[in-house]
Amino acid sequence: SQQGEEDPQALSIQEGENATMNCSYKTSINNLQWYRQNSGRGLVHLILIRSNEREKHSGRLRVTLDTSKKSSSLLITASRAADTASYFCATASGAGSYQLTFGKGTKLSVIP
Amino acid sequence: EAQVTQNPRYLITVTGKKLTVTCSQNMNHEYMSWYRQDPGLGLRQIYYSMNVEVTDKGDVPEGYKVSRKEKRNFPLILESPSPNQTSLYFCASSLTQGFSPLHFGNGTRLTVT
Repeated sequence: SQQGEEDPQALSIQEGENATMNCSYKTSINNLQWYRQNSGRGLVHLILIRSNEREKHSGRLRVTLDTSKKSSSLLITASRAADTASYFCATASGAGSYQLTFGKGTKLSVIP
Repeated sequence: EAQVTQNPRYLITVTGKKLTVTCSQNMNHEYMSWYRQDPGLGLRQIYYSMNVEVTDKGDVPEGYKVSRKEKRNFPLILESPSPNQTSLYFCASSLTQGFSPLHFGNGTRLTVT
């Protein structure tokens, strides 16, 4: 069952600009994770934020989590052509069994 | 190098011909999982395993089987493939279920004619 839903579905920006992707979910979570997928390849983990955290940074990535609004955002600053990929949020939720459920992704294109 | 290895990378087969997609991880992870990825539907979980000899159904288990006889291996078996199983398949593993990052294989693109 799909829990996270990313927005927008597709995003096109110029190199050097910032890219913001959003994820909304329906039920309470233990943590939320963001992954990147280059075309047809396996997903790569970017960042994990726990439900008691509000913000997390990793290099040019900034993730926020608002549990009251059941939403998260991923900000990529100073984007590069190499950031072109699909980005997925995944939520870990459930009673005693924290299944990870993925959204459908945001396709980011960074134009050189 | 820590990795999840899937084979084969590409597979074309005919309806009804049994096939196995292998998955192996070298990180001593307890949790392993299979996903399929289809356009417009995102990643959907097929089966997962919490540890050796412990497996359970995900969201779309029909038509698939798995086994976990050893910690490192988690093969996906299609006993009688059908065209609606044409998809991109990913194996993934993590230290614990849901609390730690998933490590993905590079995928197997399966076409069933």
